[in-house]
Amino acid sequence: RKEVEQDPGPFNVPEGATVAFNCTYSNSASQSFFWYRQDCRKEPKLLMSVYSSGNEDGRFTAQLNRASQYISLLIRDSKLSDSATYLCVVTPSGGYNKLIFGAGTRLAVHP
Amino acid sequence: DGGITQSPKYLFRKEGQNVTLSCEQNLNHDAMYWYRQDPGQGLRLIYYSQIVNDFQKGDIAEGYSVSREKKESFPLTVTSAQKNPTAFYLCASRDSNQPQHFGDGTRLSIL
Repeated sequence: RKEVEQDPGPFNVPEGATVAFNCTYSNSASQSFFWYRQDCRKEPKLLMSVYSSGNEDGRFTAQLNRASQYISLLIRDSKLSDSATYLCVVTPSGGYNKLIFGAGTRLAVHP
Repeated sequence: DGGITQSPKYLFRKEGQNVTLSCEQNLNHDAMYWYRQDPGQGLRLIYYSQIVNDFQKGDIAEGYSVSREKKESFPLTVTSAQKNPTAFYLCASRDSNQPQHFGDGTRLSIL
Protein backbone atom coordinates (compact mmCIF):
# COMPACT_ATOMS: atom_id res chain seq x y z
CA ARG A 1 0.00 0.00 0.00
CA LYS A 2 1.32 3.44 -0.89
CA GLU A 3 1.99 5.80 2.00
CA VAL A 4 -0.17 8.50 0.43
CA GLU A 5 -2.86 7.65 -2.10
CA GLN A 6 -4.86 9.89 -4.38
CA ASP A 7 -7.32 9.28 -7.20
CA PRO A 8 -5.33 10.38 -10.28
CA GLY A 9 -8.45 11.67 -12.05
CA PRO A 10 -8.85 13.56 -14.26
CA PHE A 11 -11.81 15.31 -12.77
CA ASN A 12 -13.50 17.19 -15.59
CA VAL A 13 -15.90 19.83 -14.25
CA PRO A 14 -17.65 22.90 -15.67
CA GLU A 15 -16.91 26.39 -14.45
CA GLY A 16 -18.81 27.17 -11.27
CA ALA A 17 -18.95 23.57 -10.10
CA THR A 18 -17.95 22.34 -6.68
CA VAL A 19 -15.39 19.54 -6.67
CA ALA A 20 -13.81 17.53 -3.86
CA PHE A 21 -10.65 15.42 -3.69
CA ASN A 22 -9.73 12.93 -1.02
CA CYS A 23 -6.33 11.63 -0.04
CA THR A 24 -5.61 8.72 2.31
CA TYR A 25 -2.41 8.16 4.28
CA SER A 26 -1.14 5.00 5.92
CA ASN A 27 0.94 6.27 8.85
CA SER A 28 -1.32 7.08 11.79
CA ALA A 29 1.55 9.03 13.43
CA SER A 30 1.58 11.59 10.61
CA GLN A 31 1.65 15.11 11.97
CA SER A 32 1.50 17.72 9.24
CA PHE A 33 -0.64 17.83 6.13
CA PHE A 34 -0.61 20.08 3.10
CA TRP A 35 -2.19 20.53 -0.31
CA TYR A 36 0.05 21.68 -3.14
CA ARG A 37 -0.92 22.73 -6.64
CA GLN A 38 1.23 21.90 -9.65
CA ASP A 39 0.68 23.39 -13.08
CA CYS A 40 1.89 21.55 -16.16
CA ARG A 41 5.71 21.58 -16.39
CA LYS A 42 6.02 23.81 -13.32
CA GLU A 43 7.12 23.31 -9.73
CA PRO A 44 4.57 22.48 -7.00
CA LYS A 45 3.32 25.47 -5.02
CA LEU A 46 1.78 25.38 -1.58
CA LEU A 47 -1.99 25.82 -1.75
CA MET A 48 -2.79 25.43 1.93
CA SER A 49 -1.86 23.66 5.12
CA VAL A 50 -4.49 21.37 6.65
CA TYR A 51 -5.37 21.82 10.30
CA SER A 52 -7.14 19.40 12.60
CA SER A 53 -10.19 21.65 12.92
CA GLY A 54 -10.42 22.17 9.18
CA ASN A 55 -9.62 25.44 7.47
CA GLU A 56 -10.82 27.60 4.65
CA ASP A 57 -9.08 29.98 2.28
CA GLY A 58 -11.50 31.71 -0.05
CA ARG A 59 -13.06 29.08 -2.31
CA PHE A 60 -10.86 26.31 -0.89
CA THR A 61 -11.67 24.23 2.19
CA ALA A 62 -9.40 21.56 3.65
CA GLN A 63 -10.42 18.93 6.16
CA LEU A 64 -8.51 16.33 8.16
CA ASN A 65 -10.02 13.10 9.47
CA ARG A 66 -7.43 11.44 11.72
CA ALA A 67 -9.68 8.52 12.65
CA SER A 68 -10.09 7.48 9.03
CA GLN A 69 -6.67 8.80 7.99
CA TYR A 70 -7.70 11.00 5.13
CA ILE A 71 -7.61 14.63 4.15
CA SER A 72 -9.86 16.37 1.70
CA LEU A 73 -9.86 19.47 -0.47
CA LEU A 74 -13.07 21.14 -1.57
CA ILE A 75 -13.07 23.75 -4.31
CA ARG A 76 -16.20 25.85 -4.70
CA ASP A 77 -17.17 27.92 -7.75
CA SER A 78 -14.43 26.37 -9.91
CA LYS A 79 -12.53 28.70 -12.23
CA LEU A 80 -10.72 27.82 -15.45
CA SER A 81 -7.53 28.84 -13.66
CA ASP A 82 -8.07 26.08 -11.08
CA SER A 83 -7.10 23.51 -13.73
CA ALA A 84 -3.96 21.84 -12.37
CA THR A 85 -2.76 18.78 -10.51
CA TYR A 86 -3.37 18.83 -6.76
CA LEU A 87 -0.82 17.04 -4.59
CA CYS A 88 -1.57 15.73 -1.12
CA VAL A 89 1.47 15.90 1.18
CA VAL A 90 2.02 14.30 4.58
CA THR A 91 4.89 14.41 7.07
CA PRO A 92 5.36 11.17 9.03
CA SER A 93 6.43 13.10 12.14
CA GLY A 94 7.73 16.51 13.14
CA GLY A 95 11.05 18.17 12.53
CA TYR A 96 12.81 18.04 9.20
CA ASN A 97 11.75 14.58 8.20
CA LYS A 98 10.93 14.08 4.57
CA LEU A 99 7.52 14.89 3.25
CA ILE A 100 5.57 12.17 1.52
CA PHE A 101 3.89 13.28 -1.70
CA GLY A 102 0.87 11.71 -3.31
CA ALA A 103 1.01 11.27 -7.08
CA GLY A 104 -1.63 13.97 -7.52
CA THR A 105 -5.19 14.42 -8.72
CA ARG A 106 -5.68 16.18 -12.02
CA LEU A 107 -8.46 18.74 -12.30
CA ALA A 108 -9.68 20.14 -15.63
CA VAL A 109 -12.23 22.95 -15.47
CA HIS A 110 -13.98 23.64 -18.77
CA PRO A 111 -16.17 26.57 -19.91
CA ASP B 1 13.89 38.65 -2.97
CA GLY B 2 13.95 35.44 -0.92
CA GLY B 3 13.67 32.11 -2.64
CA ILE B 4 15.20 29.01 -4.14
CA THR B 5 17.17 29.24 -7.36
CA GLN B 6 17.85 26.24 -9.53
CA SER B 7 20.15 26.29 -12.52
CA PRO B 8 20.32 25.59 -15.31
CA LYS B 9 16.69 25.47 -16.40
CA TYR B 10 17.52 22.96 -19.15
CA LEU B 11 20.48 20.57 -19.25
CA PHE B 12 21.64 17.95 -21.72
CA ARG B 13 23.88 15.06 -20.77
CA LYS B 14 26.04 12.95 -23.02
CA GLU B 15 26.57 9.24 -22.46
CA GLY B 16 29.07 8.59 -19.67
CA GLN B 17 29.05 12.17 -18.47
CA ASN B 18 28.45 13.45 -14.96
CA VAL B 19 26.40 16.64 -14.67
CA THR B 20 25.73 18.86 -11.67
CA LEU B 21 22.49 20.68 -10.95
CA SER B 22 22.70 23.76 -8.78
CA CYS B 23 20.31 24.68 -5.97
CA GLU B 24 20.75 27.81 -3.86
CA GLN B 25 18.40 29.23 -1.22
CA ASN B 26 18.46 32.48 0.74
CA LEU B 27 15.58 31.58 3.04
CA ASN B 28 17.94 30.49 5.83
CA HIS B 29 16.30 27.06 5.86
CA ASP B 30 18.18 24.21 7.49
CA ALA B 31 16.69 21.38 5.43
CA MET B 32 17.02 20.92 1.68
CA TYR B 33 15.72 18.21 -0.63
CA TRP B 34 16.09 16.89 -4.17
CA TYR B 35 13.24 15.23 -6.04
CA ARG B 36 12.83 13.69 -9.42
CA GLN B 37 9.55 13.81 -11.35
CA ASP B 38 8.89 11.72 -14.45
CA PRO B 39 6.05 12.60 -16.86
CA GLY B 40 2.65 11.89 -15.32
CA GLN B 41 4.26 10.68 -12.10
CA GLY B 42 4.57 11.92 -8.55
CA LEU B 43 7.69 13.29 -6.89
CA ARG B 44 10.33 10.81 -5.76
CA LEU B 45 12.91 11.78 -3.15
CA ILE B 46 16.55 11.42 -4.20
CA TYR B 47 18.49 12.92 -1.28
CA TYR B 48 17.84 15.27 1.59
CA SER B 49 19.91 17.21 4.08
CA GLN B 50 18.76 18.38 7.47
CA ILE B 51 21.90 20.32 8.36
CA VAL B 52 25.20 21.43 6.86
CA ASN B 53 27.70 18.63 6.22
CA ASP B 54 25.04 15.96 6.62
CA PHE B 55 22.69 14.30 4.14
CA GLN B 56 20.61 11.13 3.79
CA LYS B 57 19.58 8.96 0.89
CA GLY B 58 16.01 9.14 -0.23
CA ASP B 59 14.06 6.51 -2.09
CA ILE B 60 16.00 6.59 -5.37
CA ALA B 61 19.56 7.68 -4.51
CA GLU B 62 21.41 5.26 -6.80
CA GLY B 63 23.30 7.06 -9.55
CA TYR B 64 23.18 10.41 -7.75
CA SER B 65 25.43 12.23 -5.30
CA VAL B 66 25.10 15.43 -3.25
CA SER B 67 27.10 17.67 -0.98
CA ARG B 68 26.09 20.21 1.66
CA GLU B 69 29.14 22.32 2.41
CA LYS B 70 27.14 25.49 2.91
CA LYS B 71 23.71 26.06 4.38
CA GLU B 72 22.45 27.83 1.28
CA SER B 73 23.71 25.35 -1.30
CA PHE B 74 22.78 21.73 -2.07
CA PRO B 75 24.11 20.67 -5.51
CA LEU B 76 23.04 17.38 -7.07
CA THR B 77 25.35 15.40 -9.35
CA VAL B 78 23.77 12.99 -11.80
CA THR B 79 26.49 10.42 -12.44
CA SER B 80 27.03 8.17 -15.43
CA ALA B 81 25.74 5.32 -13.25
CA GLN B 82 22.23 6.79 -13.53
CA LYS B 83 21.05 5.04 -16.68
CA ASN B 84 17.73 6.83 -17.04
CA PRO B 85 18.41 10.43 -16.03
CA THR B 86 15.81 12.15 -18.23
CA ALA B 87 13.39 13.83 -15.81
CA PHE B 88 12.32 17.08 -14.16
CA TYR B 89 14.49 17.71 -11.07
CA LEU B 90 13.12 19.79 -8.22
CA CYS B 91 14.98 21.22 -5.26
CA ALA B 92 13.14 22.27 -2.11
CA SER B 93 13.88 23.67 1.32
CA ARG B 94 11.96 24.06 4.55
CA ASP B 95 12.01 25.03 8.20
CA SER B 96 10.99 22.55 10.89
CA ASN B 97 7.30 21.58 10.68
CA GLN B 98 6.73 23.99 7.83
CA PRO B 99 5.79 23.18 4.24
CA GLN B 100 8.46 22.94 1.59
CA HIS B 101 9.25 25.67 -0.89
CA PHE B 102 10.39 24.58 -4.34
CA GLY B 103 12.73 25.99 -6.93
CA ASP B 104 11.41 26.14 -10.48
CA GLY B 105 13.20 23.00 -11.56
CA THR B 106 15.78 21.72 -14.03
CA ARG B 107 14.83 19.60 -17.03
CA LEU B 108 17.53 17.07 -17.83
CA SER B 109 17.66 15.18 -21.11
CA ILE B 110 20.09 12.77 -22.72
CA LEU B 111 21.80 13.77 -25.96
